[in-house]
Amino acid sequence: DIQMTQSPSSLSASLGERVSLTCRASQEISGYLSWLQQKPDGTIKRLIYAASTLDSGVPKRFSGSRSGSDYSLTISSLESEDFADYYCLQYASYPFTFGSGTKLEIK
Amino acid sequence: EVLLQQSGPELVKPGASVKIPCKASGYTFTDYNMDWVKQSHGKSLEWIGDINPNNGGTIYNQKFKGKATLTVDKSSSTAYMELRSLTSEDTAVYYCAREVYYYGSSYRFAYWGQGTLVTVSA
Repeated sequence: DIQMTQSPSSLSASLGERVSLTCRASQEISGYLSWLQQKPDGTIKRLIYAASTLDSGVPKRFSGSRSGSDYSLTISSLESEDFADYYCLQYASYPFTFGSGTKLEIK
Repeated sequence: EVLLQQSGPELVKPGASVKIPCKASGYTFTDYNMDWVKQSHGKSLEWIGDINPNNGGTIYNQKFKGKATLTVDKSSSTAYMELRSLTSEDTAVYYCAREVYYYGSSYRFAYWGQGTLVTVSA
């Protein structure tokens, strides 16, 4: 199985701050990576697919990038609704696997 | 609008089974695969498997073989996941999620149900 190592596990940041989360894939996933946001009520929303393509309706302050086997989600300027849990997900090969998550909290 | 409607919380006894529905609307049900995902309390997400609603074909995570069975009812546009021989380890929120296609390529987990909490307790 492909392991997705996500960091950091938690992050405390202020409104307006720029933050980045990272996932490293244990094998080649060729950009088949998504970023998901989970709110405290459990609602899950996909933000990015194919490593860097923003889903429709997702604010442009979110962006995704790839450098080799490292994949990053960047939020350019934090807003209050961004404080949530974030997960990466690889769908390159079965079984699909998720990162361990990042809890983004308000400082 | 694509909607995946899941049922309310379930309280089930150890050793029993539960069948969780995911009712789809707003699209042609048989055109898109459905995935199922488990989230234990305070933990990350695990992929259970997927089903092709058109032909009923399934692919399972080896970890969930024998535990989960995925089926569909095309007449009601509903996907189901049955969990058997339940233990406390199966207490979790279970989500269904649908793929989308862009330029002929599948991109998974585009739409999510709201999740169903299954609690296994005597």
